[in-house]
Amino acid sequence: GEDVEQSLFLSVREGDSSVINCTYTDSSSTYLYWYKQEPGAGLQLLTYIFSNMDMKQDQRLTVLLNKKDKHLSLRIADTQTGDSAIYFCAEMGDNTGKLIFGQGTTLQVKP
Amino acid sequence: SAVISQKPSRDICQRGTSLTIQCQVDSQVTMMFWYRQQPGQSLTLIATANQGSEATYESGFVIDKFPISRPNLTFSTLTVSNMSPEDSSIYLCSAEEGTKTEAFFGQGTRLTVV
Repeated sequence: GEDVEQSLFLSVREGDSSVINCTYTDSSSTYLYWYKQEPGAGLQLLTYIFSNMDMKQDQRLTVLLNKKDKHLSLRIADTQTGDSAIYFCAEMGDNTGKLIFGQGTTLQVKP
Repeated sequence: SAVISQKPSRDICQRGTSLTIQCQVDSQVTMMFWYRQQPGQSLTLIATANQGSEATYESGFVIDKFPISRPNLTFSTLTVSNMSPEDSSIYLCSAEEGTKTEAFFGQGTRLTVV
């Protein structure tokens, strides 16, 4: 079945760039998403990319998609302490609207 | 973007009891879903809430344990029945509009069963 994998932890210094990586197995994925979850909160949709795109930029966020390698990344420029959270990658593989989530990457930003 | 409100935001319940979680969307949406996030884990889809018909459950989830209602295009409920400590999780409602691109989530209901 479909699977989405992420590394579990990333630590960066404030002001540096963060790159969170994700791999998926479903070659029919139509949309891929990045969500942010702060402690005790729900999921905040950060951005998403359609599978026929290679890159999407939104202010400090850059999403890169390598469809051949089934690899997705989220780059956060000028990382701030407020960016500390768990980041989930998710893919939507078919027309049902269901999302398959990765395990989440905990981003720790040190001052 | 759709705004999703869930009630209650958290609850502590006795084992053997049931809890109904409400999900209200501020606009009509085509798709609504219920997910579970166990402590320290990722999200797992419980079911798709179908408007006017029975929900579609994922493998490992059954209607007797997680009955779901969706009476209209803006509202759904999930009941966690005959609770045990293993049901302690965050339950999240999700909604997608007709274009099926942006999937939004409520803030979640943090359930603790004692």
